[in-house]
Amino acid sequence: AQSVSQHNHHVILSEAASLELGCNYSYGGTVNLFWYVQYPGQHLQLLLKYFSGDPLVKGIKGFEAEFIKSKFSFNLRKPSVQWSDTAEYFCAAQGGGSYIPTFGRGTSLIVHP
Amino acid sequence: KAGVTQTPRYLIKTRGQQVTLSCSPISGHRSVSWYQQTPGQGLQFLFEYFSETQRNKGNFPGRFSGRQFSNSRSEMNVSTLELGDSALYLCASSPGLAGGAETQYFGPGTRLLVL
Repeated sequence: AQSVSQHNHHVILSEAASLELGCNYSYGGTVNLFWYVQYPGQHLQLLLKYFSGDPLVKGIKGFEAEFIKSKFSFNLRKPSVQWSDTAEYFCAAQGGGSYIPTFGRGTSLIVHP
Repeated sequence: KAGVTQTPRYLIKTRGQQVTLSCSPISGHRSVSWYQQTPGQGLQFLFEYFSETQRNKGNFPGRFSGRQFSNSRSEMNVSTLELGDSALYLCASSPGLAGGAETQYFGPGTRLLVL
């Protein structure tokens, strides 16, 4: 079965620290990848996505992610986090003949000011 | 464009009751998907509707059902509510182009509490 794994369930950082959230998927073949963010009390919104082309994808608010096909990974990074980055982050993958994305269980990020 | 809207935003029901949730997609989007979000399970796919037809279905019992209207608005119904149905129910819309790589856009959700 298709699955998406997010290894870090809870991450606590201080402001200005670097961030990397892991995401692995189990699809073979062509895959589309997404990172969504859910700020406290707000709805899920798209951070960035990869469909094809340059495997290093830049998103909003200084986030980026790198698609590494050989590792089935799509890790999210930010060089310097801010208190306002406190949120839940979800990785999702779409592929295997279905365009319904499968979501990981999410990573809760808390950034201390 | 207006975003995805969901009503109501909050609901409190008791076990055994039924509930209907509504979702209006982004204008022009023909695909509407529903997800259940809980702290322990994350986002779980319920079903997807396209052109008034259920096109994809997740692994939820038959108590969960939905429909889509000709204007792409969608409703989700849960009958015989159980305590475990307490969750945030999210609606997402996308253009629905077959075979295309698409982004889903999410609404704010309906938070359902079953007592």
